[in-house]
Amino acid sequence: LAKTTQPISMDSYEGQEVNITCSHNNIATNDYITWYQQFPSQGPRFIIQGYKTKVTNEVASLFIPADRKSSTLSLPRVSLSDTAVYYCLVGPMKDSSYKLIFGSGTRLLVRP
Amino acid sequence: GAVVSQHPSWVICKSGTSVKIECRSLDFQATTMFWYRQFPKQSLMLMATSNEGSKATYEQGVEKDKFLINHASLTLSTLTVTSAHPEDSSFYICSARDDGLGTYEQYFGPGTRLTVT
Repeated sequence: LAKTTQPISMDSYEGQEVNITCSHNNIATNDYITWYQQFPSQGPRFIIQGYKTKVTNEVASLFIPADRKSSTLSLPRVSLSDTAVYYCLVGPMKDSSYKLIFGSGTRLLVRP
Repeated sequence: GAVVSQHPSWVICKSGTSVKIECRSLDFQATTMFWYRQFPKQSLMLMATSNEGSKATYEQGVEKDKFLINHASLTLSTLTVTSAHPEDSSFYICSARDDGLGTYEQYFGPGTRLTVT
């Protein structure tokens, strides 16, 4: 399994764009990059998934460089409600034997 | 979208008793479900993989006799914490995998807060 490294915590202010970078140097060819969001006392919620280049949905964008050794989750114009823990997971998501293993995540605090 | 429920959302039990937590996939069938536990300020730790119609697969270090898993149908998995002790107090989260479209997306339940007194 690809090991991931992401900042332990980040601070931001309402209305700002937040970029959270995840390093995954030993990513494999079949691996996808997936980000989850977790609020206190709730289960994780899927945010976005990508394989290469850029993926965008109504919540976030995911930027993946050509070498795929890192990825950046971009949250545009954050609000207080975006305060949460964000997890970067890397693995063969399309493989039926794959199990989601969570790292330590990034604790994002959005201030007014 | 796919919804996974857990029941109860919180439970308090006395030391030495057993408690059962249910995980249901409400609008899809899940051959495979997963059970996680999470301590305060920590990440989710995978405990076991629950397979419909067969025995669960436990992660290293997880006592299978203490955490009994039953996946009796394609929409229900249960986790029973037997002879609970205060150190078993934690947040238990299940997820269900939708194998229907071949994408193997996992959907998480809202979690169950267990407090053992």
